[in-house]
Amino acid sequence: DAMVIQNPRYQVTQFGKPVTLSCSQTLNHNVMYWYQQKSSQAPKLLFHYYDKDFNNEADTPDNFQSRRPNTSFCFLDIRSPGLGDAAMYLCATSRGSTSPHNEQFFGPGTRLTVL
Amino acid sequence: AQSVSQHNHHVILSEAASLELGCNYSYGGTVNLFWYVQYPGQHLQLLLKYFSGDPLVKGIKGFEAEFIKSKFSFNLRKPSVQWSDTAEYFCAVNAVAGNNRKLIWGLGTSLGVNP
Repeated sequence: DAMVIQNPRYQVTQFGKPVTLSCSQTLNHNVMYWYQQKSSQAPKLLFHYYDKDFNNEADTPDNFQSRRPNTSFCFLDIRSPGLGDAAMYLCATSRGSTSPHNEQFFGPGTRLTVL
Repeated sequence: AQSVSQHNHHVILSEAASLELGCNYSYGGTVNLFWYVQYPGQHLQLLLKYFSGDPLVKGIKGFEAEFIKSKFSFNLRKPSVQWSDTAEYFCAVNAVAGNNRKLIWGLGTSLGVNP
């Protein structure tokens, strides 16, 4: 089945120790998104890629970076995690703005714990 | 700017009660509308979506929603809730024109169902 896969599902890191979360998709979608979701809150968009075009949200801290080496993979790098970065990180994909029916497909998320 | 408003932040019901969760959005053009559900400890799942056509949309698990364009609303309904419907419910919207890659999220409604 076509899907959005996130690894690992659970990640524990230490304060200030860089961490990378990964996302892959078999949907061949143009757009890949990274969201941060804290408990009982709506997902907050950090950035998205339209093909190789990176689109950062204005309020995303510099501590968060992303890479998309090819269509299928996208990475979220947190350079120096703080306690406030503990959250669920969601990856999503969509076909892109050429389609009027632009549904996002979500992965299961990676729960990040910062010690 | 586009926004999504969910009127009820916390709802508590008894099993077999009827459910209606309100969602209103602010955007004058054509929109795609979504309801997502997040069960405790689980990832986001799409409940239902509206792109075009019949404004009454049926989703999974007996949920339905009605798009009323004149009221800018997309309320979620279920005639008889079950304990297993306890979850967080998010309404989300994207604009068909312009940058429709982004979802605008409501703050979510936490539903508790007492057995």
